[in-house]
Amino acid sequence: EAGVAQSPRYKIIEKRQSVAFWCNPISGHATLYWYQQILGQGPKLLIQFQNNGVVDDSQLPKDRFSAERLKGVDSTLKIQPAKLEDSAVYLCASSLDRPETQYFGPGTRLLVL
Amino acid sequence: AQSVTQPDIHITVSEGASLELRCNYSYGATPYLFWYVQSPGQGLQLLLKYFSGDTLVQGIKGFEAEFKRSQSSFNLRKPSVHWSDAAEYFCAAGDSGGGADGLTFGKGTHLIIQP
Repeated sequence: EAGVAQSPRYKIIEKRQSVAFWCNPISGHATLYWYQQILGQGPKLLIQFQNNGVVDDSQLPKDRFSAERLKGVDSTLKIQPAKLEDSAVYLCASSLDRPETQYFGPGTRLLVL
Repeated sequence: AQSVTQPDIHITVSEGASLELRCNYSYGATPYLFWYVQSPGQGLQLLLKYFSGDTLVQGIKGFEAEFKRSQSSFNLRKPSVHWSDAAEYFCAAGDSGGGADGLTFGKGTHLIIQP
């Protein structure tokens, strides 16, 4: 069974630029999560989708971050404009249903200069 | 507020010795509990989970964890560590109340294995 796929794996941008991350969950998984992991810390939930609806986005900085899951499968997380403090690893996870074990992708490592 | 605490930032253990990593949680009700392991440059791999039932849970790679409600703890143990166990370990909790169930993670414990 293929795992959670994420791209790109690495991205370097300058502050005030925009960037987008893509996630393809495990086939059949209805729930998708985006987490932000700053160096030296545990992951922090940004947003949770159930199919193509948002369940929780209370910790998403909505002035600069947006996410969508239009067809209930793939998801895109965007940052516009990026700040230095957005440098982190962005992890995507999926689960079959709620609540269930979350399976994580390899992450996208973002460096904002 | 919901929180997960891992008191030890770093732990050094000799190869072959036993291991215990501590985790405490603060939740309104008994949460779902997980331990994940992260190797450098890798995503998170699930070691084990507790949803309900038997409070001693077995996981992969010889790990086990015990849920203790009275102590709000979910400590991870392994009787004999291997050099390949060197990694970052995260304890996480999720809401069992039927609401949003994004995980709350601790800050992690970095495990160093001495030869």
